Amino acid sequence: ETGVTQSPTHLIKTRGQQVTLRCSSQSGHNTVSWYQQALGQGPQFIFQYYREEENGRGNFPPRFSGLQFPNYSSELNVNALELDDSALYLCASSFNPSSYEQYFGPGTRLTVT
Amino acid sequence: GNSVTQMEGPVTLSEEAFLTINCTYTATGYPSLFWYVQYPGEGLQLLLKATKADDKGSNKGFEATYRKETTSFHLEKGSVQVSDSAVYFCALSPGSARQLTFGSGTQLTVLP
Repeated sequence: ETGVTQSPTHLIKTRGQQVTLRCSSQSGHNTVSWYQQALGQGPQFIFQYYREEENGRGNFPPRFSGLQFPNYSSELNVNALELDDSALYLCASSFNPSSYEQYFGPGTRLTVT
Repeated sequence: GNSVTQMEGPVTLSEEAFLTINCTYTATGYPSLFWYVQYPGEGLQLLLKATKADDKGSNKGFEATYRKETTSFHLEKGSVQVSDSAVYFCALSPGSARQLTFGSGTQLTVLP
């Protein structure tokens, strides 16, 4: 059974640029959630996708957007990058939106300079 | 809104010591409560959960009891090992794990 994978591992971008982060769900999971974890903080919920539709969103501006594909993999897109967007971005998958357990990937470390 | 407050770290213990990491929460309704663990270089892993008041979650020697009257979910382990060194996060969700709200994490280091 393949776990949740994320790419790239690390990324450096310049303020104002756009970035796309990718996530492959664990086999059999149809729900993906994205979290932002700033250094020394707990993860903060960005949004969740279920069956290719957004299924809940946290307190993040519209320049954070996402996609889920028919194979349940997902992308997180961030436009007009700001310095405060520097963080570890975590993807988590689950069997469905009602599942109690989410399986997290190792994350993508984004640095905005 | 929902929030989780954890005891500040870092926490350093000797092997076989007793561990308590405090966690309190603020939420509307009856949230589900979770403890996640993050080992160096790895993703978050669910350690244990409790979905209603007075439930006790347990796993790998760790325990936590859902206390509605004190809005707490303290993590305990009777005898820690070096391999328990990690960051521990307390979290809640309004129902299922759809939208987790995390505490800021507690770094635990266990010395041999």
